Amino acid sequence: GAVVSQHPSRVICKSGTSVKIECRSLDFQATTMFWYRQFPKKSLMLMATSNEGSKATYEQGVEKDKFLINHASLTLSTLTVTSAHPEDSSFYICSADPGQGAKEQFFGPGTRLTVL
Amino acid sequence: GENVEQHPSTLSVQEGDSAVIKCTYSDSASNYFPWYKQELGKRPQLIIDIRSNVGEKKDQRIAVTLNKTAKHFSLHITETQPEDSAVYFCAARGTYKYIFGTGTRLKVLA
Repeated sequence: GAVVSQHPSRVICKSGTSVKIECRSLDFQATTMFWYRQFPKKSLMLMATSNEGSKATYEQGVEKDKFLINHASLTLSTLTVTSAHPEDSSFYICSADPGQGAKEQFFGPGTRLTVL
Repeated sequence: GENVEQHPSTLSVQEGDSAVIKCTYSDSASNYFPWYKQELGKRPQLIIDIRSNVGEKKDQRIAVTLNKTAKHFSLHITETQPEDSAVYFCAARGTYKYIFGTGTRLKVLA
């Protein structure tokens, strides 16, 4: 199956700093990438849909100025958590959609963010 | 807005028994329904999926059924094994995005 990587896998940062998470599709081009957030023992919550070359579409309740998304190429999308606070601590997972009628999305391995 | 309800939230079965997880979706435009298995700290893994033009699909011990009229779909695991223990999520896809169910923690007791 298609491979999606995510970097870093774990990050610990201080309150007030910004953290960038990268999501890459390694062997296919993804016109659309999704960013999810998952709290412990909870489901995946869609944060935003990232489209190459255009602005991301954010879900209701997700602050676009807090969670900056950039999809600069067909293989890379980044999520930047700005001015992070302890409540932003979570597991962030991206997924990539190959498009062209493909039904399946491919998940990255996730990034565990801990804000002290 | 769109949502997907999933039941039960936890399920314990004896090894060898069957497990059934049910989901209900609200968006009638949904046309693709995947099921994922997620182990602690790992990414979700697709285990089976079904399109809206099919009523049932089976892959060895795993099967999925879909009732479009009722907007229900279910995961069936037969002859459960300890390695089936994990969290299972259903999802529904409409135009472009996926909406996930709340998850079911399955424990298979040896």
